[in-house]
Amino acid sequence: AQKITQTQPGMFVQEKEAVTLDCTYDTSDQSYGLFWYKQPSSGEMIFLIYQGSYDEQNATEGRYSLNFQKARKSANLVISASQLGDSAMYFCAMREDLVDSGAGSYQLTFGKGTKLSVIP
Amino acid sequence: DTGVSQNPRHKITKRGQNVTFRCDPISEHNRLYWYRQTLGQGPEFLTYFQNEAQLEKSRLLSDRFSAERPKGSFSTLEIQRTEQGDSAMYLCASTLGQGFYTGELFFGEGSRLTVL
Repeated sequence: AQKITQTQPGMFVQEKEAVTLDCTYDTSDQSYGLFWYKQPSSGEMIFLIYQGSYDEQNATEGRYSLNFQKARKSANLVISASQLGDSAMYFCAMREDLVDSGAGSYQLTFGKGTKLSVIP
Repeated sequence: DTGVSQNPRHKITKRGQNVTFRCDPISEHNRLYWYRQTLGQGPEFLTYFQNEAQLEKSRLLSDRFSAERPKGSFSTLEIQRTEQGDSAMYLCASTLGQGFYTGELFFGEGSRLTVL
């Protein structure tokens, strides 16, 4: 089973509107972290926002917020007031902490991404 | 520019040749990661260094792949006897952390490999 599922290959949004990018995850760990990264056409991965599994409040960073629903295992990214510069690929990723094994987690598992296009 | 630097940015090679990519992380970062990204996919973890020690390797990293991080500074990823399936973007990332990190990974712009 895929650990990170992004069901929207592509999304369109009108400039200045809000958009939600979906992400569901699969883990049996109690301690984990969820990330969203943006990848513009230049190729560099840009960190947007982080949510820890024990964080009770949804993370927010400027125009980005993460709608964390632990019971549903979802971590959707909400971008408010879309800008033309938001057009890019967006990746959801998870870090599993493997606490029971005593091992630190040194890797992120990424989804396949969602291509967001902002329309003027 | 004090970000993660990767070179070369593009490499075209013939099947069977060896290639080497270099990554210079952000100077104070002790953790360094290599990922591979193929078209239409998210990045896939290859290997991880904490300082100079290679602590984790993915089973994606066949014996034709070798990575080093001498002295805990820059890192190299070498692919021997390249195959067409090795064509991908190779991404390097770094971060500063101990234990279970919560910080972000800082990625370079990647090295794109095309094997003919």
